[in-house]
Amino acid sequence: DVKVTQSSRYLVKRTGEKVFLECVQDMDHENMFWYRQDPGLGLRLIYFSYDVKMKEKGDIPEGYSVSREKKERFSLILESASTNQTSMYLCASSFGGITTYTFGSGTRLTVV
Amino acid sequence: AQSVTQLDSQVPVFEEAPVELRCNYSSSVSVYLFWYVQYPNQGLQLLLKYLSGSTLVKGINGFEAEFNKSQTSFHLRKPSVHISDTAEYFCAVSEVGNQFYFGTGTSLTVIP
Repeated sequence: DVKVTQSSRYLVKRTGEKVFLECVQDMDHENMFWYRQDPGLGLRLIYFSYDVKMKEKGDIPEGYSVSREKKERFSLILESASTNQTSMYLCASSFGGITTYTFGSGTRLTVV
Repeated sequence: AQSVTQLDSQVPVFEEAPVELRCNYSSSVSVYLFWYVQYPNQGLQLLLKYLSGSTLVKGINGFEAEFNKSQTSFHLRKPSVHISDTAEYFCAVSEVGNQFYFGTGTSLTVIP
């Protein structure tokens, strides 16, 4: 089975800190995605990547950036964390074409 | 862009009763349809998917869904629910290309 691993399940950071959320997949998937999940809003796409060093903005990229230096790793960066970025963050990956996403277990980030 | 509507944000149901979770999408072009389940404090797991072929799709844990092209719907059903089915359920739609569009989720609560 494909595994998508997010490095932290729970994270608490202070306002203004730079935050790194890491995601690693072990099945050579081309595509990787970062979503945030909030009650009543479902999943919203932040950034995605179809290949190494490629990145595309999703629906809500403001306040975030990403890095994909290696195919298996996709990092989400909060340059200066704010309280409105408190959320559940989900990473997903897939092969090219119309295929199923595989999700990580999520990182619940609290910014205080 | 697609829009995915899950009309019911919360569905309470008694144990062993049947349940239907509704999903409608906006586009009439060729789409691929998915249902994911999220148990508390976990990531999303694939329940079932429709890519082509028979419009009645069977998934894991006794769930099934029916693709109705004329009504642009993909409702999820289970004839008899268990306590362990208590979770958040997300409908997702994908067009040509890789981006998924998710609904806002339906919280299913099974009452003993």
